[in-house]
Amino acid sequence: QLQLQESGPGLVKPSETLSLTCLVSGGSISRGRYYWGWIRQPPGKGLEWIGSIFYSGNTYYNPSLKSRVTISVDTSKNQFSLRLSSMTAADTAVYFCAREEMAETYFDYWGQGTLVTVSS
Amino acid sequence: QSALTQPASVSGSPGQSITIPCTGTSSDVGGYNFVSWYQHHPGKAPKLMIYDVTIRPSGVSNRFSGSKSGNTASLTISGLQAEDEADYYCCSYTPGSTVFGGGTKLSVL
Repeated sequence: QLQLQESGPGLVKPSETLSLTCLVSGGSISRGRYYWGWIRQPPGKGLEWIGSIFYSGNTYYNPSLKSRVTISVDTSKNQFSLRLSSMTAADTAVYFCAREEMAETYFDYWGQGTLVTVSS
Repeated sequence: QSALTQPASVSGSPGQSITIPCTGTSSDVGGYNFVSWYQHHPGKAPKLMIYDVTIRPSGVSNRFSGSKSGNTASLTISGLQAEDEADYYCCSYTPGSTVFGGGTKLSVL
């Protein structure tokens, strides 16, 4: 059974860069049919797609966040990572990682999510 | 890109049916058959309920069904049960991106 687990700091200061990692177990991140994505949910609000990466390193990002987002992949560790720069209070959210079916754009496996709070 | 439009809340009694609409544009919902739906119980991982507008993944109850007409996709839940109470999100492909709906809170009265 595929499992995804997010890890990273729960607290980030304003203007700093958030770094999160998603460890994939029970399957290879290099399997060709899938992208690997990040999605977030601010408190009391809906889901927002951040971006996704293919195991080859090909990425695509939410246009509204593109200038601040970098997603990378480490196939040797079977994990992928998110960096979000210039954090503000508006970036406070639960961050989820998920597997995205490549051709049809749906997310079939999700991590439990990790809460990131932006505060000084 | 703008979020897809969903009602903030819907409600129904056990055994009844409800439908949650998800309205987009011809650039997303209306232009492609790549609409998916997710059930989210707060504090848990979202669960895929429908993909490609109408397809149920293995293990999802056949009480859940999806459809689309024009720029509006819909999720219908029949025979409402208490455990269906959750937040529901639609999601659509749009060229070069992916967009979610604002979410709908389903209350089972």
